[in-house]
Amino acid sequence: EPEVTQTPSHQVTQMGQEVILRCVPISNHLYFYWYRQILGQKVEFLVSFYNNEISEKSEIFDDQFSVERPDGSNFTLKIRSTKLEDSAMYFCATGQGANEQFFGPGTRLTVL
Amino acid sequence: AQSVTQLGSHVSVSEGALVLLRCNYSSSVPPYLFWYVQYPNQGLQLLLKYTTGATLVKGINGFEAEFKKSETSFHLTKPSAHMSDAAEYFCAVRGNYGQNFVFGPGTRLSVLP
Repeated sequence: EPEVTQTPSHQVTQMGQEVILRCVPISNHLYFYWYRQILGQKVEFLVSFYNNEISEKSEIFDDQFSVERPDGSNFTLKIRSTKLEDSAMYFCATGQGANEQFFGPGTRLTVL
Repeated sequence: AQSVTQLGSHVSVSEGALVLLRCNYSSSVPPYLFWYVQYPNQGLQLLLKYTTGATLVKGINGFEAEFKKSETSFHLTKPSAHMSDAAEYFCAVRGNYGQNFVFGPGTRLSVLP
């Protein structure tokens, strides 16, 4: 069964460094999303991406964040200058339509 | 704007007992509703969803949920709990415009032998 994959599974970085989180969606999926889950808290929406552009973003998704799909397959989330409070699990989700979202296993980001 | 509440951050049931996890939502438009399960150190797996049609929705692993518009609820049930059901369960809502899902705070289900 096809599934969403994410790399790396765990990323440790120093505050102020840039990180790129990668997601490989299920093929033929057209809708892409990033969510984050701070330890012990609920899942929070960051951004949705469709037709090669951002379709929605939350207040969390400020100028430090960006997304792209550089090669038509990988879907990436970049954090330009990480802060301690960016430490969280980051989940990618993809869907063939807007009413479904299949989640990847997540990347645990630890900012020191 | 949509929002989701889940009554009970932690629910414990005995193996074989009924599982009831509560979800209430608010939405200014007819909602699409979802239940996801998260096992330790894993991502979210879709259990079931309601978009349109029949209000009683059956999902994987013997779970089902009923959409009750009058009560703005979408409670998750399972007749008989298994040890393997122990996990975190998240209810989510999506309006029929916009694409992002709004998640509830989650309910941790423990199953006692």
